[in-house]
Amino acid sequence: AQSVSQHNHHVILSEAASLELGCNYSYGGTVNLFWYVQYPGQHLQLLLKYFSGDPLVKGIKGFEAEFIKSKFSFNLRKPSVQWSDTAEYFCAVNGPGGYQKVTFGTGTKLQVIP
Amino acid sequence: EADIYQTPRYLVIGTGKKITLECSQTMGHDKMYWYQQDPGMELHLIHYSYGVNSTEKGDLSSESTVSRIRTEHFPLTLESARPSHTSQYLCASRDLFQETQYFGPGTRLLVL
Repeated sequence: AQSVSQHNHHVILSEAASLELGCNYSYGGTVNLFWYVQYPGQHLQLLLKYFSGDPLVKGIKGFEAEFIKSKFSFNLRKPSVQWSDTAEYFCAVNGPGGYQKVTFGTGTKLQVIP
Repeated sequence: EADIYQTPRYLVIGTGKKITLECSQTMGHDKMYWYQQDPGMELHLIHYSYGVNSTEKGDLSSESTVSRIRTEHFPLTLESARPSHTSQYLCASRDLFQETQYFGPGTRLLVL
């Protein structure tokens, strides 16, 4: 079965610091990759996704993620975080190909200090 | 803004009671999902549906049941609630072509 690992459970950063959240998945075949974000008091929502093509994908609010197939990784990055980025971030994988279920990681709570 | 709703948002109930968690979406999505989420843990898929009259159990064993009589409605029922059912339950629907899931606000359930 597919599994998704997020190595950082709680990250605290100062504003303007750079962010990288790790995500690794287990299945080596064709997958679709996602990062979802949940801001305090709000629904889970899509931040960005990778299906195919350029392995560097850009999402909303200046976030980007890089798919490295050889490392089974899909790390999330942002060069300069803001207080409003305080949220919980979930990596998710939909695969193997055609599989209808999405497997989520445990989530990373990001706290940005002004 | 996704149009997916869950009620109630919070529920405190005694052991042995029957409860139904409501989920509805107005986007016409065929695929719907129920996840269970505990603090610090991943979302666990407990039920999903491909469309009307289609329901399947997910990866995590659950004593709950679901039904899908209408496209927009996907309720989850616990016949006899127990303290081990205390958790947050998230409903989602999926846009087939974009493969994106849209989540509801969740129901936080506490069984005493």
